[in-house]
Amino acid sequence: GAVVSQHPSWVICKSGTSVKIECRSLDFQATTMFWYRQFPKQSLMLMATSNEGSKATYEQGVEKDKFLINHASLTLSTLTVTSAHPEDSSFYICSANRQGMNTEAFFGQGTRLTVV
Amino acid sequence: QQQVKQSPQSLIVQKGGISIINCAYENTAFDYFPWYQQFPGKGPALLIAIRPDVSEKKEGRFTISFNKSAKQFSLHIMDSQPGDSATYFCAASSMGNTPLVFGKGTRLSVIA
Repeated sequence: GAVVSQHPSWVICKSGTSVKIECRSLDFQATTMFWYRQFPKQSLMLMATSNEGSKATYEQGVEKDKFLINHASLTLSTLTVTSAHPEDSSFYICSANRQGMNTEAFFGQGTRLTVV
Repeated sequence: QQQVKQSPQSLIVQKGGISIINCAYENTAFDYFPWYQQFPGKGPALLIAIRPDVSEKKEGRFTISFNKSAKQFSLHIMDSQPGDSATYFCAASSMGNTPLVFGKGTRLSVIA
């Protein structure tokens, strides 16, 4: 299958600092990427849709000023958690759609963020 | 977003048995139905997917059955193995670059 690489796989940061998470599609171009958040033993919750060259679309209840998304190229989207707090600790996962005869969604390996 | 309902929440199957996970959806605009397998601390991995123009798709030990009129689809894992123990998510989306809507997941445990 297609490869979506997410970096870092885990990060620990202090309260008040910012953390950037990268999502790359390694072998295909993705005009759209998605960012999800997952709490322990729960399903994936869509945070935002990242569109190359335009502003991201955020789901209701997700603070766009706190979760900054930049989709600078067809293979890279970044999520920056600004002024992180312990309640932002979670598992963040990105996905990218590979276009073709059958569009398929591939996920990164996830980033475990712990804010202390 | 329309909900995708997944059951059961957890499942214990003997090694060699058949694991069956069911999902139901409401939005008739959905036309893509994938299943994902997720191990702890890892991102979901695409397992198998189906579109509404077929009623069944098989890849190795994994089979999706799709019932368009009932708006239901299911995952069957034949000859279940301990290595299949993971959380399985069904999902659905409609045409274009739309995000997936996920079920709540099923924790599968295959015991020897």
